Amino acid sequence: KNQVEQSPQSLIILEGKNCTLQCNYTVSPFSNLRWYKQDTGRGPVSLTIMTFSENTKSNGRYTATLDADTKQSSLHITASQLSDSASYICVVSVRGAGNMLTFGGGTRLMVKP
Amino acid sequence: DTGVSQDPRHKITKRGQNVTFRCDPISEHNRLYWYRQTLGQGPEFLTYFQNEAQLEKSRLLSDRFSAERPKGSFSTLEIQRTEQGDSAMYLCASSFIAGVSADTQYFGPGTRLTVL
Repeated sequence: KNQVEQSPQSLIILEGKNCTLQCNYTVSPFSNLRWYKQDTGRGPVSLTIMTFSENTKSNGRYTATLDADTKQSSLHITASQLSDSASYICVVSVRGAGNMLTFGGGTRLMVKP
Repeated sequence: DTGVSQDPRHKITKRGQNVTFRCDPISEHNRLYWYRQTLGQGPEFLTYFQNEAQLEKSRLLSDRFSAERPKGSFSTLEIQRTEQGDSAMYLCASSFIAGVSADTQYFGPGTRLTVL
């Protein structure tokens, strides 16, 4: 069964600090992995997308890594801001399945002043 | 273009009633997806269209759920005989895909359904 597991489920950090969110997946055959940010009550917004051959991708203060051998990904947030408070969802796409996405349960991040 | 829009944003209905949600994708996007999201969980794939063709519908939760995209532009998701367990956020996403490349899906704000 294709699954995406994220940890931690929730995280509280102080403004200005860094944090790293983890994602493990069992999706096969793998096509690509995405990280989305979802603010409360809104739809998810794409942060990064990585294919099998990409190890790292950055988007401003967000840096995603991918290890396709161990089927692990991480999202590192640098110098956190209050606006980073949201759920971060790891999403894996199955190759050959119409880009159907399998979503993780998300990590709920709260940044406190 | 202001992105993917969904209507209504909120819907409260009584158990047993039918509801229909609308999604307007980003213009010229050929793919349209429907997801359901319950509180504290990631979105769950329901179905998707490429242009007007519904290419995957086996993930629809039951035969009470149906979706259409008659002209390859907007789409509707209908739930018949709603049950309390249908209460959730229903998200629509659209993308443009050519060939086998990865597509970035742009999500709408969602329709929050509450079944009393």
